[in-house]
Amino acid sequence: GAGVSQSPSNKVTEKGKDVELRCDPISGHTALYWYRQSLGQGLEFLIYFQGNSAPDKSGLPSDRFSAERTGGSVSTLTIQRTQQEDSAVYLCASSSGLVRSTQYFGPGTRLTVL
Amino acid sequence: AQRVTQPEKLLSVFKGAPVELKCNYSYSGSPELFWYVQYSRQRLQLLLRHISRESIKGFTADLNKGETSFHLKKPFAQEEDSAMYYCALSGGSNYKLTFGKGTLLTVNP
Repeated sequence: GAGVSQSPSNKVTEKGKDVELRCDPISGHTALYWYRQSLGQGLEFLIYFQGNSAPDKSGLPSDRFSAERTGGSVSTLTIQRTQQEDSAVYLCASSSGLVRSTQYFGPGTRLTVL
Repeated sequence: AQRVTQPEKLLSVFKGAPVELKCNYSYSGSPELFWYVQYSRQRLQLLLRHISRESIKGFTADLNKGETSFHLKKPFAQEEDSAMYYCALSGGSNYKLTFGKGTLLTVNP
């Protein structure tokens, strides 16, 4: 079946603008994760959603970052007042939510803040 | 706190040579360890996980709790193994992954 999809694949924005990144998880997957892949920091966890539980936001780097998951499926990561250090590839992953289930990654959104 | 260290940013070997990508971790409980691979222009994908104890594409990795290591090994490297390899750890109830910084493996002909 279809894997995790993300849109847009590339996003160029100006410093100070807001951006929204979208993730469509694998159908039926209850767990959804956002990670950030940047040159200096490698792959970092941002936020985790599991079913109807409160999300784990412990990895969000600042209050300019937020994420929603509507209807237990699609998720949107929003970055407000973007800064140049936000430039990175943002990866989404989903899993079945069962114990020790494999995370499947999307292709990522490459964000460039000018 | 959980941490994963991959000491080599770059590793270059010749086709047919053995390869070992090092991974050390720090975690107070019982972690689950993974190797993920990202081939050029492809998405990140799971290569293997320690609980499966299986060999994928000729790669194996053994969890050594005494040395807190999970090194990835292959006896005879192939050119198609050239990729970025990430070691990752999952230890909490949310199963979030903590990644190492990655090792770029190049297998030369």
